[in-house]
Amino acid sequence: NAGVTQTPKFQVLKTGQSMTLQCAQDMNHNSMYWYRQDPGMGLRLIYYSASEGTTDKGEVPNGYNVSRLNKREFSLRLESAAPSQTSVYFCASTPLAGANTGELFFGEGSRLTVL
Amino acid sequence: GENVEQHPSTLSVQEGDSAVIKCTYSDSASNYFPWYKQELGKGSQLIIDIRSNVGEKKDQRIAVTLNKTAKHFSLHITETQPEDSAVYFCAARNSGYSTLTFGKGTMLLVSP
Repeated sequence: NAGVTQTPKFQVLKTGQSMTLQCAQDMNHNSMYWYRQDPGMGLRLIYYSASEGTTDKGEVPNGYNVSRLNKREFSLRLESAAPSQTSVYFCASTPLAGANTGELFFGEGSRLTVL
Repeated sequence: GENVEQHPSTLSVQEGDSAVIKCTYSDSASNYFPWYKQELGKGSQLIIDIRSNVGEKKDQRIAVTLNKTAKHFSLHITETQPEDSAVYFCAARNSGYSTLTFGKGTMLLVSP
């Protein structure tokens, strides 16, 4: 049971470089999310996709873009990485779209360091 | 928007003791309150949740209580074990939104 798979697990970038974090889920879930986790800050929502074909900003969207490629895949792109984007990034999915979303299923995280 | 405060940020207990983590929320319309456990190097997993129409829910050694009037909810772990050591996150959601707002997390350390 793969669940939610994120790649890469680790990445080091230089300031100004770009990269894409990939996320795929095999549970036929409708909604997908990208969070970042920083020490003492908890989980903060960057972007989410309530259903295939839609994306919305979360709490901290600046400096990021997302693409819901299909129902399975939701990618997060950093166009010009900054040291402030050093973080652990988590992708998550949930079966239901809209206001009554239930349990979130998380990937194992992608640790990104921007020098 | 919703604001969730979580305390304490770290908690150390001896094996067999009880542990309590508390959260407060700001939006009185919030109606769903889950708790997630994050083990080292892994993603978070739902361990228990409660909806606003009940005041308490138990699952073996874990329980959650909700006080809607005071807008706070708590996680209670009894007979703690070393494998309970992890970071715990509380969260809240308003029915009008499709996303959760998380607290900042509590690192629980259970010493043998």
